[in-house]
Amino acid sequence: DAKTTQPTSMDCAEGRAANLPCNHSTISGNEYVYWYRQIHSQGPQYIIHGLKNNETNEMASLIITEDRKSSTLILPHATLRDTAVYYCIVSSAPETSGSRLTFGEGTQLTVNP
Amino acid sequence: DGGITQSPKYLFRKEGQNVTLSCEQNLNHDAMYWYRQDPGQGLRLIYYSQIVNDFQKGDIAEGYSVSREKKESFPLTVTSAQKNPTAFYLCASRPFNQPQHFGDGTRLSIL
Repeated sequence: DAKTTQPTSMDCAEGRAANLPCNHSTISGNEYVYWYRQIHSQGPQYIIHGLKNNETNEMASLIITEDRKSSTLILPHATLRDTAVYYCIVSSAPETSGSRLTFGEGTQLTVNP
Repeated sequence: DGGITQSPKYLFRKEGQNVTLSCEQNLNHDAMYWYRQDPGQGLRLIYYSQIVNDFQKGDIAEGYSVSREKKESFPLTVTSAQKNPTAFYLCASRPFNQPQHFGDGTRLSIL
């Protein structure tokens, strides 16, 4: 699986958009980008995933560059409850036999009042 | 309610003892996973199972064992061979074509 690079930490003001970047320059053509987040002492929570098109759901938007070497997770209106460690993961498609996730150290996002 | 249940939330073990962590899911998911997380670090894969009666080693399987006798259950045994078992253990499951979803974890400590 391709390796990802994320900033160690970021801050965001409550109510503003939080834009979390991720570099994955060695991603292969059939690998997806997944985003999870982990609030302290809880299990990771799935946010969103995508292959090459931009994706949006009720939690966030995922913007993947045309060359697929980087992506950005956007939380449109951050709240204090969005404070968490955010993990960007590159892996095979969910339906792939043996699909597995490799977690790095993620980005600690702190939303400030 | 449907979900992934890990029990207990906190577990204590004496050195030299084996201990089994429970993971149950009533979501009819095919695949199940066990991860370990140390403070300030990401998750590392211990074992995973895609179907009943079959499982594969992950990146850090030494000192651990699993079984998958039922679709809904994937218990993890931390054996005395695991030299540094104190950690946060997370179980996940997923249906065939969807991403993994996680339980709330078990925190294991050595007395």
